[in-house]
Amino acid sequence: GAVVSQHPSWVICKSGTSVKIECRSLDFQATTMFWYRQFPKQSLMLMATSNEGSKATYEQGVEKDKFLINHASLTLSTLTVTSAHPEDSSFYICSARTGRKDEKLFFGSGTQLSVL
Amino acid sequence: AQRVTQPEKLLSVFKGAPVELKCNYSYSGSPELFWYVQYSRQRLQLLLRHISRESIKGFTADLNKGETSFHLKKPFAQEEDSAMYYCALKGSGNTGKLIFGQGTTLQVKP
Repeated sequence: GAVVSQHPSWVICKSGTSVKIECRSLDFQATTMFWYRQFPKQSLMLMATSNEGSKATYEQGVEKDKFLINHASLTLSTLTVTSAHPEDSSFYICSARTGRKDEKLFFGSGTQLSVL
Repeated sequence: AQRVTQPEKLLSVFKGAPVELKCNYSYSGSPELFWYVQYSRQRLQLLLRHISRESIKGFTADLNKGETSFHLKKPFAQEEDSAMYYCALKGSGNTGKLIFGQGTTLQVKP
């Protein structure tokens, strides 16, 4: 099946710094990628929908300037957590939509962000 | 409002026992529903979706529009079924975004 690679798998950073997370579709072109956030023992909450070559669509309550999303190519989307704070600590997961007729979503392995 | 509810956080059964993981949804229109599974230390992966009417690893799920439910069932649980299960609803529009339930941990004891 299709593979979505997400890096890094975990990152620890100091408060006030920025962190970039990459999501790559390895063997297919993903016109749309999604970014989710998951708190411990809770569900995945959609943060934003990322479309190649256009601005991301953010869900209500998600700060656009805080969580910068760039989808520069059909195989790469990045999420940058700017000026991170401890409350941004969470598990971030990306998924990519194949865009074929029988479209499916494939998920990255997630990134655990810890802000000190 | 579009919403998915999984009322059970944890479901614990013995090997060989039947399993039913509950999922209810709220959606105006024709819903498209999925079950995703996450095994320990692995990424989320699709288990099945209602439009395919398939059975994967012995699991089935039937969409009941009257009860707005999409429960996941398996007649005889196996230890390797132990995992986190998420019910998901495809949101309106053509974005393909999914709305997830809270998830249910299935624990199959030997």
